[in-house]
Amino acid sequence: TQLLEQSPQFLSIQEGENLTVYCNSSSVFSSLQWYRQEPGEGPVLLVTVVTGGEVKKLKRLTFQFGDARKDSSLHITAAQPGDTGLYLCAGAHAGNNRKLIWGLGTSLAVNP
Amino acid sequence: DAGVTQSPTHLIKTRGQQVTLRCSPISGHKSVSWYQQVLGQGPQFIFQYYEKEERGRGNFPDRFSARQFPNYSSELNVNALLLGDSALYLCASSSGQGVYNSPLHFGNGTRLTVT
Repeated sequence: TQLLEQSPQFLSIQEGENLTVYCNSSSVFSSLQWYRQEPGEGPVLLVTVVTGGEVKKLKRLTFQFGDARKDSSLHITAAQPGDTGLYLCAGAHAGNNRKLIWGLGTSLAVNP
Repeated sequence: DAGVTQSPTHLIKTRGQQVTLRCSPISGHKSVSWYQQVLGQGPQFIFQYYEKEERGRGNFPDRFSARQFPNYSSELNVNALLLGDSALYLCASSSGQGVYNSPLHFGNGTRLTVT
């Protein structure tokens, strides 16, 4: 089974702290996406990474794709309460670009 | 422009019943995908339809079926409901087939509870 493992599963931090969420797999992905999902809503795409070693920044969020394209990380600087939500990583394999393999998610709570 | 719309938002059914969930994609999007998200887990891929044809199927039993209409809206049907079918069912639309070059846009889902 091609799985994506996310860690940590839960994270509760104070406003202003930094954090990193990890997404790991034993298989190679042609692309990997990060989503954020809030209660009662569907996931919203944050970023897509496709090149090994690629780094993308979205304001205070920094996304990195591993050199071997098997893992990725999401780093949030100076977290704010508005960052609270479920962060999901999802990968696509070269042989099946229509199907996303999803991690279980990291539930982040940023306390004021 | 309206986003992906799903109906109903909530549904309660009993075991053995059948259910139909509906999805309207973003205008101009020809691909619709269905996902099941059990509480505390990430979404699981059920189906993808593109131009009214099934283009992908996940590891779900034959009790699950779907179709896409000429206007690109879609229905997901689940027969002989089991307690384990209780989940949030998400619909996502995209302009093309591939997830890389055609980002998914999700609706807010239908919360199905089977009692």
